[in-house]
Parts: sequence; C-alpha cells; structure tokens
Amino acid sequence: AQKVTQAQTEISVVEKEDVTLDCVYETRDTTYYLFWYKQPPSGELVFLIRRNSFDEQNEISGRYSWNFQKSTSSFNFTITASQVVDSAVYFCALSEDPHTGTASKLTFGTGTRLQVTL
Amino acid sequence: NAGVTQTPKFQVLKTGQSMTLQCAQDMNHEYMSWYRQDPGMGLRLIHYSVGAGITDQGEVPNGYNVSRSTTEDFPLRLLSAAPSQTSVYFCASSYSGTGSYEQYFGPGTRLTVT
Repeated sequence: AQKVTQAQTEISVVEKEDVTLDCVYETRDTTYYLFWYKQPPSGELVFLIRRNSFDEQNEISGRYSWNFQKSTSSFNFTITASQVVDSAVYFCALSEDPHTGTASKLTFGTGTRLQVTL
Repeated sequence: NAGVTQTPKFQVLKTGQSMTLQCAQDMNHEYMSWYRQDPGMGLRLIHYSVGAGITDQGEVPNGYNVSRSTTEDFPLRLLSAAPSQTSVYFCASSYSGTGSYEQYFGPGTRLTVT
C-alpha cells in the first residue's frame, strides 16, 4: 500500500525566512508520480508541481524549489524568502503509474500548515 | 473552460437523509475522482472512474455510491447520511494523454450532517 508522511503538522516562520516542508513516501511501484498542492485559507487546491519517479533532477520555480531523492524516498519542498501570501496548508501526494489507468488515484499526506508572519 | 464545477458549495443534512453531490468537468478528461478532506487527515479517495461506465472504490467508499454515465459528470450519492460523513468533498479530474497528469480539483462542497 502507498503511504505519504508529512511529519511537520505546523510551521511558523517570519517573512523572508527560508522554510522546507518534508515529504516521505512509501510505494512498491517502480513508476510513480509525486505532487505538491497548496491549499490557501480560501480552501481550493492549487497544483504546484508533478515529478515522475525517473526524474531526480531538482526543480526550481521562482522562490519554490523541490528536492527529490529516491534513495531516501523523500520529495521535500523549499520556499525561499517566504512571504505572508505563502501561508497555507501544503499537501504532498503520490500517484501510481498512470499508464495502468490509475492516474486518478492520489494518496495524500496529512498536510503541513505554514504560517508566515511579518 | 469552467474546469471542474461542484454543486452545492454548502449543504446541511439530517442523519438518514440522502443527497447527491454534483461534479462536472468540461475538459474531456477520462479520469474523475471524489475525495473527502477531514481535519488532520489530508484528502482520502472515496471513489474514482477511469472513463464513462467504469467506476471503482477508493480508500473510504462505505456509505457512498457513484456512477459515470457521461464523460462530463460524476455525481456522488450519500445513501443515508451519518454525522461521520461531515466533511469537505472535492471532485477532481485528469486526462491520460501525454503531458501533465495534474489532477484538476473543483472548489469543494462543505457538508454538515446533524
């Protein structure tokens, strides 16, 4: 069975600090996809990134960066120079190989609530 | 494109009542799913569909029914509402073509069962 663990329930930082959100996953599949979603206070789910299991390159998008390490089954998310607008709940999720028809099945972590204050 | 739409946005039910949560997408996505979000538990998969006429159970299917008669619609039926079904319900869709396998989520339905 798949499992995603986000051990950090809540993180508080002061604006401009860097913050890393941890995600550890378990799967028996050799092909899988990892995702990060943001849920701001308004409640919608905002897609941030998808990474497949064959691509271990780190990714940077503006102030966001992701570190994928298969050796430790981790897919951590770093926000550089955090801003108040980054305050949200962040979810890490795992999907099985979509070629087998299971792209619709996401296993989510329990989320990390990030609070950025001035 | 409206994306994924869900109705209603809010609903209060009494224990034992039945109702249908509506979900529609206009992106011609094959895959559609229903999740529930409870405090401290993330999102959990209720039911999913890989195409019209094909549905399957997720992690927490008990008390819910689904059907998929068209590509666009994927309603979730609560047969006899219970307080344990108080939750926020999200519908999602995705496609299987090349490119991103991003799941597009609807805005959610907040359901309270008293």
